[in-house]
Amino acid sequence: GQQVMQIPQYQHVQEGEDFTTYCNSSTTLSNIQWYKQRPGGHPVFLIQLVKSGEVKKQKRLTFQFGEAKKNSSLHITATQTTDVGTYFCAGPYAGGTSYGKLTFGQGTILTVHP
Amino acid sequence: DGGITQSPKYLFRKEGQNVTLSCEQNLNHDAMYWYRQDPGQGLRLIYYSQIVNDFQKGDIAEGYSVSREKKESFPLTVTSAQKNPTAFYLCASTQANYGYTFGSGTRLTVV
Repeated sequence: GQQVMQIPQYQHVQEGEDFTTYCNSSTTLSNIQWYKQRPGGHPVFLIQLVKSGEVKKQKRLTFQFGEAKKNSSLHITATQTTDVGTYFCAGPYAGGTSYGKLTFGQGTILTVHP
Repeated sequence: DGGITQSPKYLFRKEGQNVTLSCEQNLNHDAMYWYRQDPGQGLRLIYYSQIVNDFQKGDIAEGYSVSREKKESFPLTVTSAQKNPTAFYLCASTQANYGYTFGSGTRLTVV
């Protein structure tokens, strides 16, 4: 079945350093979504990318969707302690009508040391 | 404000007991989902529903049941057949296959 893999599983950074997490799908995706889950909280939708090669920015966060629509990345510039949490990518189920079902990656847990 | 309400926040289940997790949304979303999250893992789909009175099994439906009698409500029952129910349960909804809105979750523990 479809797999969505994320690396790294953990990332520890000093405040002010940059951070990147990578997402790879075993199948071509119609879109890719990114979520952030704060410790003890629930996932919150950040963004959806649809077009091949698409790049979107949200303040210090830059999201990219690969040309082949099978990979994506999230880059955070100059991390802050408020960036702590788990970042998930997710793609629609492969095959037929997905009905909005998403396959989630395992997530990257980001810790930021002040 | 519109959103999804899950209750209870914490739930303790005894062996052999069925428990029901509540999920209510006032976003007027058609699609609703139940996911299970285990420590260090991603989210796995239990059940989903596109319209009232219709729902489908996800990847790990065994030991769970749902109903969708109203658009706003999608309760999940964890039955005694679920052998390892301790997890964080998340309910979500969406419209037009855009980003999910999640509830705050229910942490279920077997005692």
